[in-house]
Amino acid sequence: SQQGEEDPQALSIQEGENATMNCSYKTSINNLQWYRQNSGRGLVHLILIRSNEREKHSGRLRVTLDTSKKSSSLLITASRAADTASYFCATGSSARQLTFGSGTQLTVLP
Amino acid sequence: DAGVTQSPTHLIKTRGQQVTLRCSPKSGHDTVSWYQQALGQGPQFIFQYYEEEERQRGNFPDRFSGHQFPNYSSELNVNALLLGDSALYLCASSFGGLSNQPQHFGDGTRLSIL
Repeated sequence: SQQGEEDPQALSIQEGENATMNCSYKTSINNLQWYRQNSGRGLVHLILIRSNEREKHSGRLRVTLDTSKKSSSLLITASRAADTASYFCATGSSARQLTFGSGTQLTVLP
Repeated sequence: DAGVTQSPTHLIKTRGQQVTLRCSPKSGHDTVSWYQQALGQGPQFIFQYYEEEERQRGNFPDRFSGHQFPNYSSELNVNALLLGDSALYLCASSFGGLSNQPQHFGDGTRLSIL
């Protein structure tokens, strides 16, 4: 079963615009991670935010976490065509297992 | 520094057959997790191997089994294949096995069941 649910399911923007994706989850977590997957490839880890953190930055990525609302958001600033991919949130709520959401398909148009 | 490697990249089987998929973790990693990803869905956790033992298992039947070798590489075995087993099977490696570590994924094995 999927713990996290991303919103929207699909997002299409122009190059240079910002892209925001949201993730909601159901149970308490110790960390939340975001991954990117290009078509037909494996997942690439983007950023990890722990349950006691509220915001984290990495390059053009900004992640927020609101544990009271059980939600997270991923912001990609100044999007590029190369950012076109599926983006997944994954929650760590047990010691060893990551549970992935169903993903947001981002298309960045040149 | 080699990343996670999986073999084979593609596989076609028929219902009822058995399959073995292989994974070599990233250098320095000691934990391997296996995931099943259906088309258009997120990865579903199958199980994790650490110190040559299955440490945690997702909601998958006993037809799915695995093994980890002393060099940390791993195999996923699926018996009595069903049409619904058609998916991308992903291997991910990490260090220490806890969920608070980033996972490094291979490019997967695409399994098609006819």
